Amino acid sequence: AQSVTQPDIHITVSEGASLELRCNYSYGATPYLFWYVQSPGQGLQLLLKYFSGDTLVQGIKGFEAEFKRSQSSFNLRKPSVHWSDAAEYFCAVDIKAAGNKLTFGGGTRVLVKP
Amino acid sequence: KAGVTQTPRYLIKTRGQQVTLSCSPISGHRSVSWYQQTPGQGLQFLFEYFSETQRNKGNFPGRFSGRQFSNSRSEMNVSTLELGDSALYLCASSPLGANTEAFFGQGTRLTVV
Repeated sequence: AQSVTQPDIHITVSEGASLELRCNYSYGATPYLFWYVQSPGQGLQLLLKYFSGDTLVQGIKGFEAEFKRSQSSFNLRKPSVHWSDAAEYFCAVDIKAAGNKLTFGGGTRVLVKP
Repeated sequence: KAGVTQTPRYLIKTRGQQVTLSCSPISGHRSVSWYQQTPGQGLQFLFEYFSETQRNKGNFPGRFSGRQFSNSRSEMNVSTLELGDSALYLCASSPLGANTEAFFGQGTRLTVV
C-alpha cells in the first residue's frame, strides 16, 4: 500500500522568510500528488496538484511544488511567507486505481513569527 | 458554484448512540468520499461512493457505513458510538475522470461523551 511521509511535524518561520515543506511517498509508480492546507477547525483547501508533465507546479497563494521522481518527493515551497500562511499543511497521494482514495501524510504545522 | 456542504457542523453524542452525518457535493460531482481526522491517527479514508455504489472502503469497523442517493448527496452513519469516534469528519467530492482533485467541505465535528 502507498504511504506518505512528512518528516517535519512543526516548522516555525519568520514573516517574509522562505518556506519549504517536505513530502516523500512510497509507491511503485508515480501517483497523483496533492498539497492541501487546513486552518484551525476548517476543511482542506487544495493548494496545488501534480498529475503529469512539468515537474514544477504552481498553485494558489504563491505556493509551488517540485516533483522529483528519483527521490519520490513532492516538496512545497513559498519564497516569502505571510502571517496568514500559518496553518497545517498536508501532502496527499492518490493512485486512482479504482476511484478516488487519498492517502495523507501526517501534516506539518507552520507557525509564522512576526 | 456552491462548495461541498456538510451538516451539521457540530454534534455531541453519548456513547452507544448512533449518528448520521450529511454531505451535499458540488453540483455535477458524482464521487463523494469520507475521511476521519483525529489528532492521533491523522486523516484516514473511510469510503467513497460513486453513482450510489460504494467504490472504495478504508479499514474501519462495520459500525461505520454510508450511502449515496440518486442526487449524489451522501450520508455516513456511525452506530454504537465509542469515545474514540470523536473526530472531525470530512466529506470530499470529485468530478468524473482521473485527472481530478477532491474538494472538501468544512467538516462535522463529532464529540462522543
